[in-house]
Amino acid sequence: KNQVEQSPQSLIILEGKNCTLQCNYTVSPFSNLRWYKQDTGRGPVSLTIMTFSENTKSNGRYTATLDADTKQSSLHITASQLSDSASYICVVSSNSGNTPLVFGKGTRLSVIA
Amino acid sequence: NAGVTQTPKFRILKIGQSMTLQCAQDMNHNYMYWYRQDPGMGLKLIYYSVGAGITDKGEVPNGYNVSRSTTEDFPLRLELAAPSQTSVYFCASSRRGLGTEAFFGQGTRLTVV
Repeated sequence: KNQVEQSPQSLIILEGKNCTLQCNYTVSPFSNLRWYKQDTGRGPVSLTIMTFSENTKSNGRYTATLDADTKQSSLHITASQLSDSASYICVVSSNSGNTPLVFGKGTRLSVIA
Repeated sequence: NAGVTQTPKFRILKIGQSMTLQCAQDMNHNYMYWYRQDPGMGLKLIYYSVGAGITDKGEVPNGYNVSRSTTEDFPLRLELAAPSQTSVYFCASSRRGLGTEAFFGQGTRLTVV
């Protein structure tokens, strides 16, 4: 069964600290993996996309990694800011089936002063 | 550009009532989607459309209907509302298909009582 598991479920960190969010998937065949940020009461916004051949990609203070062999991805946030408080959703795209997109449940990040 | 606009933002329905969730995008995207997001769960695809006049079922289509008469609009119809349809509904669009970057609306929070 195609699944995307994210950990931790929630996380609280102090402003200025770094954190890493995890995403494990069993989706096959794999097309790409995307991280979305969802602010409370808003729709998700794409942060970064990882294809099979990419190991790491950065978008400002956000750095995503992908290990296609172990089917794991991580999102590292550097020097966190209060505005980073949001849910971070891992989405894996497959090339086939009725569920070509599989969404994780998200990690709820709270950055406190 | 407004992006993806959803109306209404909030709605309370009684069991058995009907309603239409409106979605419009001004990015000239061919692909449009409807998702539902239940508390603590990942987004589930309800219906999607690859262009005007073409719609297809997603993962959880039962109890919903859609139409796509124009490129811009993709309304979602609930005919006989049930408590199980209490959720947050997101409309999204993308330039190309599933797996490419999707732009989401702000969501419609629907409660069926």
